[in-house]
Amino acid sequence: GAGVSQTPSNKVTEKGKYVELRCDPISGHTALYWYRQSLGQGPEFLIYFQGTGAADDSGLPNDRFFAVRPEGSVSTLKIQRTERGDSAVYLCASSGGRGSTDTQYFGPGTRLTVL
Amino acid sequence: GENVEQHPSTLSVQEGDSAVIKCTYSDSASNYFPWYKQELGKRPQLIIDIRSNVGEKKDQRIAVTLNKTAKHFSLHITETQPEDSAVYFCAASTTGTASKLTFGTGTRLQVTL
Repeated sequence: GAGVSQTPSNKVTEKGKYVELRCDPISGHTALYWYRQSLGQGPEFLIYFQGTGAADDSGLPNDRFFAVRPEGSVSTLKIQRTERGDSAVYLCASSGGRGSTDTQYFGPGTRLTVL
Repeated sequence: GENVEQHPSTLSVQEGDSAVIKCTYSDSASNYFPWYKQELGKRPQLIIDIRSNVGEKKDQRIAVTLNKTAKHFSLHITETQPEDSAVYFCAASTTGTASKLTFGTGTRLQVTL
């Protein structure tokens, strides 16, 4: 079946602009996660949803970052007033299908570059 | 919160040799430990995981061991092949069900001919 997909694959923006990153989880997965991966580092947790609600948003770095999952499927990560330090690969993962509910399956990521 | 340390940061082995990557974690409540392989520019892919109710798990050339007392877990790859070359990440989770993963900093494995 289809895996986790993310769009766009690359996003270049200017400092101060607003961006939206989209994640389509595996069909039927109830949990959805956002991580951020800087060059040479492991993924860093941002937020996760169980259904439509944000179950844990403790990883969001500040109030410029916000995420939604209004229908319990697709999620959008929104970043306001982007800064150069926001440049990274933003990864989405989903879990909760039949079988192992723990396993998180990752999407290909969106590479965000803030100029 | 949880802290995961991973060593070594780089590892070079000859084809056919074994490779071992080690991780430690800080939160005794962690009970789920996956390992991901990430090739350059690609998504992390789960290669094996272990839960705290077992001490070892094997899948063909890959094995993972867990020492809960010492809060250590390790990845073992035997009979390495060039296609094993990638960055490997260990991770830990506190509840094991729909919970955030805390990742190590990664190990770049290079398998040479």
